[in-house]
Amino acid sequence: EAQVTQNPRYLITVTGKKLTVTCSQNMNHEYMSWYRQDPGLGLRQIYYSMNVEVTDKGDVPEGYKVSRKEKRNFPLILESPSPNQTSLYFCASSSQGIRTDTQYFGPGTRLTVL
Amino acid sequence: AQSVAQPEDQVNVAEGNPLTVKCTYSVSGNPYLFWYVQYPNRGLQFLLKYITGDNLVKGSYGFEAEFNKSQTSFHLKKPSALVSDSALYFCAVRDIAGYSSASKIIFGSGTRLSIRP
Repeated sequence: EAQVTQNPRYLITVTGKKLTVTCSQNMNHEYMSWYRQDPGLGLRQIYYSMNVEVTDKGDVPEGYKVSRKEKRNFPLILESPSPNQTSLYFCASSSQGIRTDTQYFGPGTRLTVL
Repeated sequence: AQSVAQPEDQVNVAEGNPLTVKCTYSVSGNPYLFWYVQYPNRGLQFLLKYITGDNLVKGSYGFEAEFNKSQTSFHLKKPSALVSDSALYFCAVRDIAGYSSASKIIFGSGTRLSIRP
């Protein structure tokens, strides 16, 4: 089954404790992206990757890091989480660099930073 | 800079009536336009997209959207609403004007659609 998986689905942590949210897709997609969803703000893009070892900032990259060492994986790293990073996070992937294709979204990770 | 506006936070419609969820956009070049739907506790699902060609685009679950370049709009429509259509709907746009913006996609703030029986 074609899918995007994220782990963990729920996470409660404390300020400053480094964490990683994993994202994996089994569709051999080149393009992957991370979004955060906040009430009234819709989805905002954090980082995206056009292919292995190619990443770029989205609209809200501050406080986040990503890496793309393998085509299927695109982890999101919060080196020193802060309460304003409490949010619902989605990973997405698509083929051909999103030029014409649709994005497939993961189920989401709800992060709470205390 | 590209942007998307969904002017209504919530739309309420009676089952069986037609529905419209509004979306307007701003881009510097030609837009790629998308509609996604989010059901409770789920990720977003693709509904339909406009890339080029016919201005009326048909998508999943009986939804359609009309691209109007002069009004810079891409409203989502359905002739007869179902209770199961109740969800959060997002419009999104990608500007294909240049490579630097080629991979960014901007989402609207979302419109909650509520269909009453």
